[in-house]
Amino acid sequence: GQQVMQIPQYQHVQEGEDFTTYCNSSTTLSNIQWYKQRPGGHPVFLIQLVKSGEVKKQKRLTFQFGEAKKNSSLHITATQTTDVGTYFCAGRSNYQLIWGAGTKLIIKP
Amino acid sequence: SAVISQKPSRDICQRGTSLTIQCQVDSQVTMMFWYRQQPGQSLTLIATANQGSEATYESGFVIDKFPISRPNLTFSTLTVSNMSPEDSSIYLCSVKTGLSGNEQFFGPGTRLTVL
Repeated sequence: GQQVMQIPQYQHVQEGEDFTTYCNSSTTLSNIQWYKQRPGGHPVFLIQLVKSGEVKKQKRLTFQFGEAKKNSSLHITATQTTDVGTYFCAGRSNYQLIWGAGTKLIIKP
Repeated sequence: SAVISQKPSRDICQRGTSLTIQCQVDSQVTMMFWYRQQPGQSLTLIATANQGSEATYESGFVIDKFPISRPNLTFSTLTVSNMSPEDSSIYLCSVKTGLSGNEQFFGPGTRLTVL
């Protein structure tokens, strides 16, 4: 079946370091969305990418959609403690929203 | 955006019993979704609740186990029937709305523990 693979499962960083999570789909996506889930919270919509090669920025967050519309990445520059949580990608294909497994961002004390 | 509330926020239930989870949205929406999320895991779509018609269930989920009601455009219920410990999870209600009509907004979730 259709899958969206997301890596890594966890990433431990020092505060101030960068963080990146990657998603790769087995099929071409019509769009891809990114969500953030804080510990104990529910997923919160961050952004949607629709166009091939699209790049969008939200302050320290940069989102990219691949040229083939099969992969995407989220990059956080200079992480802060408020960035802690799990980041999910969700790709839309054939009217289905297929969720990645999530990448948990952990800030080392 | 949409503001979604869920009741109960959490419950501890005995094996073999049933629990009905309520989801209320502050605006009318065509489609409402019910998800399950095991601790530390991704989201799994259980079903799509459509107003005026039967819910559409994903593979692995059946109406007898997870009956859904959708009496109007702002409300839905999900029942977890004949519960077993394997049903322990967080159940999330979601709607699709926003500027593009594709953004998913989630309720706060119902944390269910089955003993």
